[in-house]
Amino acid sequence: NAGVMQNPRHLVRRRGQEARLRCSPMKGHSHVYWYRQLPEEGLKFMVYLQKENIIDESGMPKERFSAEFPKEGPSILRIQQVVRGDSAAYFCASSPREGQSSPLHFGNGTRLTVT
Amino acid sequence: DAKTTQPNSMESNEEEPVHLPCNHSTISGTDYIHWYRQLPSQGPEYVIHGLTSNVNNRMASLAIAEDRKSSTLILHRATLRDAAVYYCILRDEGGGSTLGRLYFGRGTQLTVWP
Repeated sequence: NAGVMQNPRHLVRRRGQEARLRCSPMKGHSHVYWYRQLPEEGLKFMVYLQKENIIDESGMPKERFSAEFPKEGPSILRIQQVVRGDSAAYFCASSPREGQSSPLHFGNGTRLTVT
Repeated sequence: DAKTTQPNSMESNEEEPVHLPCNHSTISGTDYIHWYRQLPSQGPEYVIHGLTSNVNNRMASLAIAEDRKSSTLILHRATLRDAAVYYCILRDEGGGSTLGRLYFGRGTQLTVWP
């Protein structure tokens, strides 16, 4: 049973370009979460999605960032007009349902470098 | 978010037990105590969680104080593969949209010596 798959593993973008990060949750999981980890810091929550719905986007910057989890296909975190401060590791996690019996399963992240 | 306090770092020798402490004096009645760990260049990995009673699984044990203001993650025999950052997290299971919002903090960097 494959775990949470994120791609690409590494992504380099110039300032002003767009970055698209993909996350395929574990089979049977309908809840997806995105976290960001800046160098030498802990993970920070960004957004929580269920299929076709954004449940909580309180941790996501209001501008340039968007996320979706369509009925078919992976979840996408999109960053428009990237800046150097967006350089970080972005982790996706999934769970089959809400509640304490559903720990989050994390992927190995996409490391975004903005030059 | 309810906060936790952990030591920045701890060290252990291989095959010795490790006790990783966590203080959470402001814990509420609906908060579960979760532990995750993060190995270098990897995503966090779930370790264990509990509410009031001590818990055991194949990876570790979780000892929870009677007043729930602190807990201890116990690795019974540390291996080199256990070297990681360990995060103690309070998760409000009261429901609602905040379920996905785990507060990771800085965690404890565990070094295991051969």
